[in-house]
Amino acid sequence: LAKTTQPISMDSYEGQEVNITCSHNNIATNDYITWYQQFPSQGPRFIIQGYKTKVTNEVASLFIPADRKSSTLSLPRVSLSDTAVYYCLVGPTGTAGNKLTFGGGTRVLVKP
Amino acid sequence: GAGVSQSPRYKVAKRGQDVALRCDPISGHVSLFWYQQALGQGPEFLTYFQNEAQLDKSGLPSDRFFAERPEGSVSTLKIQRTQQEDSAVYLCASSLNTGYNQPQHFGDGTRLSIL
Repeated sequence: LAKTTQPISMDSYEGQEVNITCSHNNIATNDYITWYQQFPSQGPRFIIQGYKTKVTNEVASLFIPADRKSSTLSLPRVSLSDTAVYYCLVGPTGTAGNKLTFGGGTRVLVKP
Repeated sequence: GAGVSQSPRYKVAKRGQDVALRCDPISGHVSLFWYQQALGQGPEFLTYFQNEAQLDKSGLPSDRFFAERPEGSVSTLKIQRTQQEDSAVYLCASSLNTGYNQPQHFGDGTRLSIL
């Protein structure tokens, strides 16, 4: 089970780009990297998922270097509403075993 | 509705009572997950269903916790003889396909308080 390490918290300002790096040194060959966002009193919300290189969608980009031992979630031009906790998950495909660990997440505070 | 629905939203029980928490997943979603989230912590996996089959219950903390999904849609998490350490938010998630890495759609949880 790949363990992840993220910064506990980050502060930013409206309009800036926020980059959150997650370390996963013992990632396995069949592991994917998934990021979720969680607001207070709500369930987590899927943001983006990737295996290697770069993935981009309408809300974020995910950068994964060739060795896959880390990944960076990039949130462009954040607004106050992006204040939330962001979780990095690493886990395999398949249906066997307890493979999902959210960890403590990164608390992002966007200031005006 | 379009999303995962959980009920009740809040539940207060006395220590020793049994509680039942309900999850209505997105229609047609094969996979269903239950998580426990303590205050200030990330969600912790409890159990996983593929349709009606409970394929993984390795995260259930004790035999007081029981989950079922008898018809492959609605699921119930039951906690017997509740204890104060059971106080947490219980989250349900569903995904369209099988496996742990499919994007999961979460409900807003049931906040359980044991007095």
